[in-house]
Amino acid sequence: QSVLTQPPSASGTPGQRVTMSCSGSSSNIGNNYVSWYQQLPGTAPKLLIHRNNQRPSGVPDRFSGSKSGTSASLAISGLRSEDEADYYCATWDDSLSVVIFGGGTKLTVL
Amino acid sequence: QVQLQESGPGLVKPSETLSLNCTVSGGSISSYYWSWIRQPPGKGLEYIGYIYYSGSTKYSPSLKSRVTISVDTSKSQFSLKLSSVTAADTAIYYCARGSIAVAGAVGSIDYWGQGALVTVSS
Repeated sequence: QSVLTQPPSASGTPGQRVTMSCSGSSSNIGNNYVSWYQQLPGTAPKLLIHRNNQRPSGVPDRFSGSKSGTSASLAISGLRSEDEADYYCATWDDSLSVVIFGGGTKLTVL
Repeated sequence: QVQLQESGPGLVKPSETLSLNCTVSGGSISSYYWSWIRQPPGKGLEYIGYIYYSGSTKYSPSLKSRVTISVDTSKSQFSLKLSSVTAADTAIYYCARGSIAVAGAVGSIDYWGQGALVTVSS
């Protein structure tokens, strides 16, 4: 069981806006930056959001991140079929002194 | 563009030591937390640990007793050794680059290798 809690699944139709959550505690999300990763089937994860809400170069602005207290969220607007993937949140945990990942949310584009 | 490439045996016998290397190209191996992350088939991501170019390390508490990460800056390589493996250690092993949030803490993982599947079986 992951220290960070993510819903196992989410879905939406093309063009829709979907959000997915990531819940932690004061020793991790509450005190550190959150990052989000997209993992397409059969590939390595890719950094999507860092420092809670910053997009690396090349990531479309359809992807946005936010953080409030001990929770974080990833939003995808203008959903596309190619967004179908697993999405993981991650952060540093001050108690464990290690990076921790959420269990991942599998996004299905209907 | 920074690139990372894992290399090592794809099959390891139970109770033996898993060894993987990661070669970094397209950038300096200095000033980042060079990390290992694994993913059992069909499951989520697990952070194993990191090494700084100076040699300082941090390991996941759950694996600390069995893990060693080392670095060879002259070859732009870092390595993972995991001892006393069991079938539960079967996974895709990724090497990756971690950014520095504050001293000692990884901010984000911005570059990943393609991953190496390691199967533990006799």
